[in-house]
Amino acid sequence: TQLLEQSPQFLSIQEGENLTVYCNSSSVFSSLQWYRQEPGEGPVLLVTVVTGGEVKKLKRLTFQFGDARKDSSLHITAAQPGDTGLYLCAGALTGGFKTIFGAGTRLFVKA
Amino acid sequence: NAGVTQTPKFRVLKTGQSMTLLCAQDMNHEYMYWYRQDPGMGLRLIHYSVGEGTTAKGEVPDGYNVSRLKKQNFLLGLESAAPSQTSVYFCASSLRRTSRSGVLSNEQFFGPGTRLTVL
Repeated sequence: TQLLEQSPQFLSIQEGENLTVYCNSSSVFSSLQWYRQEPGEGPVLLVTVVTGGEVKKLKRLTFQFGDARKDSSLHITAAQPGDTGLYLCAGALTGGFKTIFGAGTRLFVKA
Repeated sequence: NAGVTQTPKFRVLKTGQSMTLLCAQDMNHEYMYWYRQDPGMGLRLIHYSVGEGTTAKGEVPDGYNVSRLKKQNFLLGLESAAPSQTSVYFCASSLRRTSRSGVLSNEQFFGPGTRLTVL
């Protein structure tokens, strides 16, 4: 069974703090996506990384793909209440159209 | 451009009843998926389709059937609902896209979900 483990499962921080969310697997992925999901809605794509070692930035969010394409991290700088939500990582398996999802990290940013 | 839509949004069934969840996308995507989301377990793939007329089993297919008669629609059926099928169901679609390095990426667009309760 292929697994994608996310940590931490839950994070509650003050506005302005920095945080990092991790996504780890023993499987190699052809690409990896990060999604954000708000209550009552479907996940929304934030970013895709495809190359080992790749780093992508989206405003205050920095995404990194591990060199071996088995793991990834999401770093948020100076978190804001609007960052509150469930963050999901998803790895695309060889062939590209089947994806496995992590269980998610639920982030709560207090004002 | 509505993206991915799902109907219904909420449904309560009794054990043994049947129902069909409808997913529609207007982005001309080849691939479509049905997932279920349960607390602490993330999204689990039920069935998927790589094109009109084709379907395949995902991670948790038992108790579900699907059909993709038209490219834009993907139906999920429960023939005899069980309490273990209480969940939130998401449909997604994606475009077959290859990066410059030749890697297939799978950026999925999700519907708003259907919350199903089986009593």
